Amino acid sequence: SQKIEQNSEALNIQEGKTATLTCNYTNYSPAYLQWYRQDPGRGPVFLLLIRENEKEKRKERLKVTFDTTLKQSLFHITASQPADSATYLCALYNFNKFYFGSGTKLNVKP
Amino acid sequence: SAVISQKPSRDICQRGTSLTIQCQVDSQVTMMFWYRQQPGQSLTLIATANQGSEATYESGFVIDKFPISRPNLTFSTLTVSNMSPEDSSIYLCSGTSGSIAADTQYFGPGTRLTVL
Repeated sequence: SQKIEQNSEALNIQEGKTATLTCNYTNYSPAYLQWYRQDPGRGPVFLLLIRENEKEKRKERLKVTFDTTLKQSLFHITASQPADSATYLCALYNFNKFYFGSGTKLNVKP
Repeated sequence: SAVISQKPSRDICQRGTSLTIQCQVDSQVTMMFWYRQQPGQSLTLIATANQGSEATYESGFVIDKFPISRPNLTFSTLTVSNMSPEDSSIYLCSGTSGSIAADTQYFGPGTRLTVL
């Protein structure tokens, strides 16, 4: 069966450090992979998209990598801030639909 | 970008009743989707709302239980019919514009439904 796995345990890091979140998938061949941020009581907010032929994408303090051989994407937040605390979701785009992971909660401590 | 609003933001309903959730986008979007999200869980796609035609439902979701309308490019409704406590969840609508493969998905704030 198809699976998208994100670490269900919260990631706790100190302000200023780099946060790295993982998204692993099986039985998909996604053309695109996206990362979203979700705050409590709110809908997800799009952050970054990476295509299957791209290895890395950056936007300000954010960086996403996409390894289609390992079937894995890594999401990095450099110089993390307490305001980065949220749940981060990965989503695969395949056959006109988006499939979401359950998300990883990030806590950045001052 | 697109701004999506949903009404109601939350509701508490009795078993056996129905609730219609409205989704309004401030600009035309190509695709609109309806999702369900349990607390701490991933988003589960219910259906793709097609303009002027029947929605495309995912496995496990049927039109009789979740009728969807999309009369134009900026508005859609989802009805949760004959509700049971198992329908308690957050319902989210979303829209994409331009080429779906290249564009982001914009989400509404969600409707928190509790069925007693």
